Amino acid sequence: QKEVEQDPGPLSVPEGAIVSLNCTYSNSAFQYFMWYRQYSRKGPELLMYTYSSGNKEDGRFTAQVDKSSKYISLFIRDSQPSDSATYLCAGYTGRRALTFGSGTRLQVQP
Amino acid sequence: EPEVTQTPSHQVTQMGQEVILRCVPISNHLYFYWYRQILGQKVEFLVSFYNNEISEKSEIFDDQFSVERPDGSNFTLKIRSTKLEDSAMYFCASSDTRTDTQYFGPGTRLTVL
Repeated sequence: QKEVEQDPGPLSVPEGAIVSLNCTYSNSAFQYFMWYRQYSRKGPELLMYTYSSGNKEDGRFTAQVDKSSKYISLFIRDSQPSDSATYLCAGYTGRRALTFGSGTRLQVQP
Repeated sequence: EPEVTQTPSHQVTQMGQEVILRCVPISNHLYFYWYRQILGQKVEFLVSFYNNEISEKSEIFDDQFSVERPDGSNFTLKIRSTKLEDSAMYFCASSDTRTDTQYFGPGTRLTVL
């Protein structure tokens, strides 16, 4: 079983829509979860970083972690065409290596 | 805003040749990492480095790979004898000890012919 799983998409939404991106994980040792955004042929850009279960908000982005069901989500409000990218979730045990999911490709149509 | 930089952006090499990929981490960061991403696949951890030694490495990081911090600013990944399957994007990342959040560079695209 893959440690971090994501639906690869593509997920296509109209501009202004609320986007929901999701990951499941199997490694109970993950303590932290990150969301990265990756544009084509570029490096991952850190968006959100969460430690505990619950919600964390930053501007148009909300990260949600449910450790009981091993489920993490990223919500994007008022989506923009510039949000079109691949979104990577990652788990972190505290031992330095990030474990990434395969990413979900998002397309926001103008 | 400080950022991780990497050079070159694209490296083409012949199979069996040695390559060195270079990174300049964020200046006050103490932990350094290399990841790779084969085209169409997920980002995979290679190695982490702290206090001038490897702190963790994956099964991908075999004897063909080595890392070095040759001076106070650079962090390098050397592949001794490249194989076709080493073709990938290689990302350097760094983090400070307080937050552990890792910041990635733009990557070096390695093409092995």
